[in-house]
Amino acid sequence: AQKVTQAQTEISVVEKEDVTLDCVYETRDTTYYLFWYKQPPSGELVFLIRRNSFDEQNEISGRYSWNFQKSTSSFNFTITASQVVDSAVYFCALSEVGTNAGKSTFGDGTTLTVKP
Amino acid sequence: GAVVSQHPSWVICKSGTSVKIECRSLDFQATTMFWYRQFPKQSLMLMATSNEGSKATYEQGVEKDKFLINHASLTLSTLTVTSAHPEDSSFYICSASFSGRIRNTIYFGEGSWLTVV
Repeated sequence: AQKVTQAQTEISVVEKEDVTLDCVYETRDTTYYLFWYKQPPSGELVFLIRRNSFDEQNEISGRYSWNFQKSTSSFNFTITASQVVDSAVYFCALSEVGTNAGKSTFGDGTTLTVKP
Repeated sequence: GAVVSQHPSWVICKSGTSVKIECRSLDFQATTMFWYRQFPKQSLMLMATSNEGSKATYEQGVEKDKFLINHASLTLSTLTVTSAHPEDSSFYICSASFSGRIRNTIYFGEGSWLTVV
């Protein structure tokens, strides 16, 4: 069975601080996708990144960066120089491929509060 | 713009009535769609996998007679909450998997807030 663990339930930082959101996953599949989503109070899921299990390259997109370590089954997300607009719930998710392509297991989410 | 659209975004219904939520893929055909439920301050939990032209596959603990899923076409899946009760009040969100020639990806709808009074 798939499992995603986000150890931090809530994080509070002051604007301009860097913050890292942890994600650890469990799967028996050799091929899978990992995602990070942002969920503002309005509810919609905002796609941030998708990573294929074969691609361990770290990625940077503006103030966002992701560190995928397959050896430790972790896919951590760092926001550099955080801003108030970054305040939201962030979900890490693991998705299957093949016959169940798209079937996703979500972590419990991390509520990030960035204070001015 | 939205690639997967849900309707309605908000719905309030009376206890005992049924309510239908639609999930449409706008720019692609989705043979498989997924329905999730999210209670306040909780994670998204998969309810069922909706397969075009066949019966949905429900996750353990989800009542298939209460949450009717119909995937009548390659672009539309519907979730009907029958005989709704206040405890069914939740955020329901669908997703659709797009299998391209080069890559696969997943699109989520905007979600639907259901309040049963």
